[in-house]
This record gives sequence, C-alpha cells and structure tokens, in this order.
Amino acid sequence: GQQVMQIPQYQHVQEGEDFTTYCNSSTTLSNIQWYKQRPGGHPVFLIQLVKSGEVKKQKRLTFQFGEAKKNSSLHITATQTTDVGTYFCAGPGNTGGFKTIFGAGTRLFVKA
Amino acid sequence: GAGVSQSPSNKVTEKGKDVELRCDPISGHTALYWYRQSLGQGLEFLIYFQGNSAPDKSGLPSDRFSAERTGGSVSTLTIQRTQQEDSAVYLCASSTQGGRLIYGYTFGSGTRLTVV
Repeated sequence: GQQVMQIPQYQHVQEGEDFTTYCNSSTTLSNIQWYKQRPGGHPVFLIQLVKSGEVKKQKRLTFQFGEAKKNSSLHITATQTTDVGTYFCAGPGNTGGFKTIFGAGTRLFVKA
Repeated sequence: GAGVSQSPSNKVTEKGKDVELRCDPISGHTALYWYRQSLGQGLEFLIYFQGNSAPDKSGLPSDRFSAERTGGSVSTLTIQRTQQEDSAVYLCASSTQGGRLIYGYTFGSGTRLTVV
C-alpha cells in the first residue's frame, strides 16, 4: 500500500546547528503538507507545497518539493530550543478520496 | 468556533465499556477527520467525512469503532467494548477544500483515552 516515509526518526542537535528532515512517498503526490507537533501538543499545520520543484521559506524554515513530486524536505537553519518537537510530512491518499497519509515524523531535540 | 474543539480531553475507562468522543470542527469546514496517535507514534487515519458524501471508513481498525457526523458539523467517534490496545490520543481535524486540493488541517487538542 501507499507509504510516506520520513528520515531520520530522531535528530539531536546543538542549538545553532542546522537540521533537515526528509520525506519520501511510494507514489507521486499532488501536494505535500508539513506539520509540527510540540511535546504534549497536537499537530499544527505549517505549509503546503503543490508545484513540482517548489521551494518555500518561513523565516528559518525552508521547504522543498521534489521535481518528481515524490519527495520533500524541511530544513531549519540555526535551530533554537523553540524548534523542539516532531515534524510530520503528509500527502493525499491514492484511493481517490481526501484522506491524508502522515509520515511517522522526525523528532527534533535541541540542546541549549 | 475559533478552533477545533474535542471533548473530553481525558477519558479513563474500564476494559469492555463503550466510550464516545466528540469533535466540534471549525464552522464552515466541510471536511472532518479522525486520527489516532499512540504514545510516541505517528498519526493513524481512522475515518473522514466530506460534505454530504459517504464517509471513508477505511481506517477503522475493527467493527467496534464507528463514527457519525450530524448536520455536517459535530462528529462523534464511538468505541464499543474497549480494549487496552485502544489506549491512545484520538485527534480530530477539520479543513476546507478547493477542487481536488485539500487545505491544511486544523487539529483539535485530542482526547487521551486510557483503557484499564
């Protein structure tokens, strides 16, 4: 069945270091979404990418959608302790409906 | 309302009992989703409702799980004869839709279900 895979599963960084999480789909995606979940919280929508090769920035966060629309990445420049949490990518299911399949997430730990 | 509201926030129940979880989506959002998240895990799709279309129930793990959405707004997820493996955080989300594009979900704070 359809899979959305994320690597790494965990990442420990020193504050100020950069961080990247990668998302790969077994099928071509019409769009991809990214969410952040703080410890003890619920997922919060960050961004949606639609176009092949699209790059979007939100302050220190850079999101990319691959040319083949099967992979995506989230890069954080100069991490801060406020970046701690789990980052999920998500894409539409391939069964013709509107459900979204979430990756397992990358949990980011930032040491001050 | 301003956000997605879920109740209760916490529920402890005895094995074998039935539970009902409620979700009140953002007004005007036509799509409503239920996901389940076990401790430290990702989000497992359960069911979604889109407008007046038949719900997609393909993620419900067993026939003990059911959900309904009344009047295109409030949704209730019911788990009958709860089992310990049902313990998880149940998250509800709503979103708008434009053509074939689903916009980002707004999640509620979830219901933490513990079956003892």
